[in-house]
Amino acid sequence: NAGVTQTPKFQVLKTGQSMTLQCAQDMNHEYMSWYRQDPGMGLRLIHYSVGAGITDQGEVPNGYNVSRSTTEDFPLRLLSAAPSQTSVYFCASSHGDLYEQYFGPGTRLTVT
Amino acid sequence: AQSVTQPDIHITVSEGASLELRCNYSYGATPYLFWYVQSPGQGLQLLLKYFSGDTLVQGIKGFEAEFKRSQSSFNLRKPSVHWSDAAEYFCAVASNYGGSQGNLIFGKGTKLSVKP
Repeated sequence: NAGVTQTPKFQVLKTGQSMTLQCAQDMNHEYMSWYRQDPGMGLRLIHYSVGAGITDQGEVPNGYNVSRSTTEDFPLRLLSAAPSQTSVYFCASSHGDLYEQYFGPGTRLTVT
Repeated sequence: AQSVTQPDIHITVSEGASLELRCNYSYGATPYLFWYVQSPGQGLQLLLKYFSGDTLVQGIKGFEAEFKRSQSSFNLRKPSVHWSDAAEYFCAVASNYGGSQGNLIFGKGTKLSVKP
């Protein structure tokens, strides 16, 4: 199993550009989440999904969209990038409530 | 509101010395607690978790943690630190966004440095 994979590993955007961060898992996990990690802030939940077709907002959802058309994939879309979205983004998946979350290697995004 | 506090931003210990990383949580019901480790440039790996039962839980890499409800704490310990333990450590509690408990609220992390 590849586990949780994320692409790209690094990305530089200009303010106002849009892009999609990809996340895929091959463990047949129902639960998938996106977090952002900023220095001194820990990880904060952006959006999550409890199954295909079901998504919901987390702590910091503004400026981001998600969809879950398949169990395997959970892309994160930045609609109009802002410097405040410069961060490291982690995708995670699990079997469900209270199961261990498996994290991807992260995407480092810089918005200039 | 749920929260996790890690009071120490950065800790330095000598190799072979014991380690304790502090974690305090705020949660109205029974907390489900986790410790994760992040090596530089990597994702997060689960060290251990507490759901119920024995308040002393064992994890991977020789780590253990003790849940103390009276102190709202879940401190991580290791009796003898190895240089490879240098990393950032995150304490987390299962949140209840949307009625689900599949997500985590993280503390801000404690960076561990190990002196030879």
